[in-house]
Amino acid sequence: NAGVTQTPKFRILKIGQSMTLQCTQDMNHNYMYWYRQDPGMGLKLIYYSVGAGITDKGEVPNGYNVSRSTTEDFPLRLELAAPSQTSVYFCASSQVDRVSIGNQPQHFGDGTRLSIL
Amino acid sequence: AQKVTQAQTEISVVEKEDVTLDCVYETRDTTYYLFWYKQPPSGELVFLIRRNSFDEQNEISGRYSWNFQKSTSSFNFTITASQVVDSAVYFCALSPSGTYKYIFGTGTRLKVLA
Repeated sequence: NAGVTQTPKFRILKIGQSMTLQCTQDMNHNYMYWYRQDPGMGLKLIYYSVGAGITDKGEVPNGYNVSRSTTEDFPLRLELAAPSQTSVYFCASSQVDRVSIGNQPQHFGDGTRLSIL
Repeated sequence: AQKVTQAQTEISVVEKEDVTLDCVYETRDTTYYLFWYKQPPSGELVFLIRRNSFDEQNEISGRYSWNFQKSTSSFNFTITASQVVDSAVYFCALSPSGTYKYIFGTGTRLKVLA
């Protein structure tokens, strides 16, 4: 019963490097999200997707890109890493259906702790 | 606009005390969902409860209980006989029906001292 799986769990990048944070869910959820959580703070939405092939910006999208080619996968790409992107990144998924089941709870991965030095 | 306010930044209690975490929300939607999540020191986010706007029935699950009052736009969370393992950050969230939005509060850090 995997749920939402994020890799890697930890990563250190140098300024200017790029990387992709992987996220996979096995619950067939239609919605997926990427959040960042800075130390001692709440969650900020980076990008979200309401289905395969559909993505949109959240509150803090600058410096990031996403794609959603399948229902299961929602990778987050950091281009030209900057110290301000040091954070813990959470991927989440949920099932949302206004007509039948409503907004189900988000299920979160365990997070990726990213440091940019 | 929608908003969730958790005015208590940090609460410290002694083990076995009862503690209530406050959550006040703002929305003009008639149908919405409310959630509580727990984030223990290990960092993962754990779902605790979901409530829809038409169900004001209070819920009890073991030592946890939730009080939803539409009249005051509040969805408070009470832990009875707190334990050290309850130490965590607790987030309240609001989601308007059929939307992608899950609006989180800033969280309340609960410290339960032995």
